[in-house]
Amino acid sequence: GENVEQHPSTLSVQEGDSAVIKCTYSDSASNYFPWYKQELGKRPQLIIDIRSNVGEKKDQRIAVTLNKTAKHFSLHITETQPEDSAVYFCAALGATGGSYIPTFGRGTSLIVHP
Amino acid sequence: SAVISQKPSRDICQRGTSLTIQCQVDSQVTMMFWYRQQPGQSLTLIATANQGSEATYESGFVIDKFPISRPNLTFSTLTVSNMSPEDSSIYLCSVDLSNDIQYFGAGTRLSVL
Repeated sequence: GENVEQHPSTLSVQEGDSAVIKCTYSDSASNYFPWYKQELGKRPQLIIDIRSNVGEKKDQRIAVTLNKTAKHFSLHITETQPEDSAVYFCAALGATGGSYIPTFGRGTSLIVHP
Repeated sequence: SAVISQKPSRDICQRGTSLTIQCQVDSQVTMMFWYRQQPGQSLTLIATANQGSEATYESGFVIDKFPISRPNLTFSTLTVSNMSPEDSSIYLCSVDLSNDIQYFGAGTRLSVL
């Protein structure tokens, strides 16, 4: 099955700095890579995603890059703000028994200091 | 998007009892998922529930411990049976609206004494 590694587990930055979270996956057949943000006590919510036919995608201050050859993808947050503080999960979607099931990374706790 | 109602939001239970968690979606969906999230940890898939068929369990999870019902395309339940303190966790349901995006319920925070 798919295996997703996520680093770092904790990331502490100053407000206004950039933050980068990296994930690697093992299944070359995986073709969809979402990122979820989970604020304390809340449900995970999708913030950005990328499919395997695209190398980069941006949405305002966040961007995701994908390197299919190396099987890694990254989340980039620029001009971080205190409200960006949360746990971020990457995931890779691959076929399992005919269904597409996401495999999640272990999460990165991002702390943005004002 | 989808509106997912999950209840209860939290519960405190005694060892050896069972708790049934309900998940209601505002639209018909083929696949519903149940996850466990232990404090500070990632999302671990328990099982996938498709309407009209038996749930598919992930390694380490069995039907006797986590029976799942999926009576129609908008509803599912997960039961945590014969609970022990190790079952204390957050349980989340989610759905896939056939666009690969997971929409999560608000979660059930379970504490077992």
